[in-house]
Amino acid sequence: EAGVAQSPRYKIIEKRQSVAFWCNPISGHATLYWYQQILGQGPKLLIQFQNNGVVDDSQLPKDRFSAERLKGVDSTLKIQPAKLEDSAVYLCASSLDRGNSPLHFGNGTRLTVT
Amino acid sequence: AQSVTQLGSHVSVSEGALVLLRCNYSSSVPPYLFWYVQYPNQGLQLLLKYTSAATLVKGINGFEAEFKKSETSFHLTKPSAHMSDAAEYFCAVRGGNEKLTFGTGTRLTIIP
Repeated sequence: EAGVAQSPRYKIIEKRQSVAFWCNPISGHATLYWYQQILGQGPKLLIQFQNNGVVDDSQLPKDRFSAERLKGVDSTLKIQPAKLEDSAVYLCASSLDRGNSPLHFGNGTRLTVT
Repeated sequence: AQSVTQLGSHVSVSEGALVLLRCNYSSSVPPYLFWYVQYPNQGLQLLLKYTSAATLVKGINGFEAEFKKSETSFHLTKPSAHMSDAAEYFCAVRGGNEKLTFGTGTRLTIIP
C-alpha cells in the first residue's frame, strides 16, 4: 500500500512569514495526526482528526497554527506568522481508527525559521 | 497522566553485541506500549507493540521487548546488533483514551 505522503520535504522561511504543509494519509485511514518533532525531542502531538473532525488540538498554538482536513482525506497545517522556535520536523501520521491501530508516519517536513 | 522515560539519549554497541534500550513508563490505567524506529530523514516506523496479550513481544528486524508491570518497564532488546540498526528509537505509551505520548528517544550507534 502507498504510505503517508507529505510535502514539501524541506522549507526555509524567515520569521513572521507564513508556511503550509500538506499531508495525504493512507487510503481508508480515518484518523490523521500532525506531530511536531523538535531536534533532540520526541514527537509532540499538535492535532488529531477523526475523519474531518478535530479530536484533540490541546497542544496546538492556536494563535499561529491552524489545520484542516477537507473531506476527511488530505490535510494541511499552516503557521502564520512563524517564530524561530517553530523550527522542527512536522510529521503527519494516519491510522485506521482512534483505537490502538498502529500509526503510519510520513517522512516529515523539515522547517527552518531564520 | 502518562509519561515515558528513556534512559540514555545515546547508546553505542559493537556489531554483533547485545542491544538494550531502556524505557520506563507511567500510566494511571493499563497501558499500551510501543517502540518506534526513525532512520535519518525519515518518519517513524513501528517496531513492536504491547497490547495486554503476551508480555514478551516480538517485532520486526529481530527486536523484542518485555513488559514488566512490577518494574513499569518495557525495554527493547536485540541479541546481535547489525550496522543497519543504527537509528533513533522511541518508546511510546497510550493509556485509556489518552493520546500517544513519546519519550525523548535513544540514538543507537553501531561500532564496526
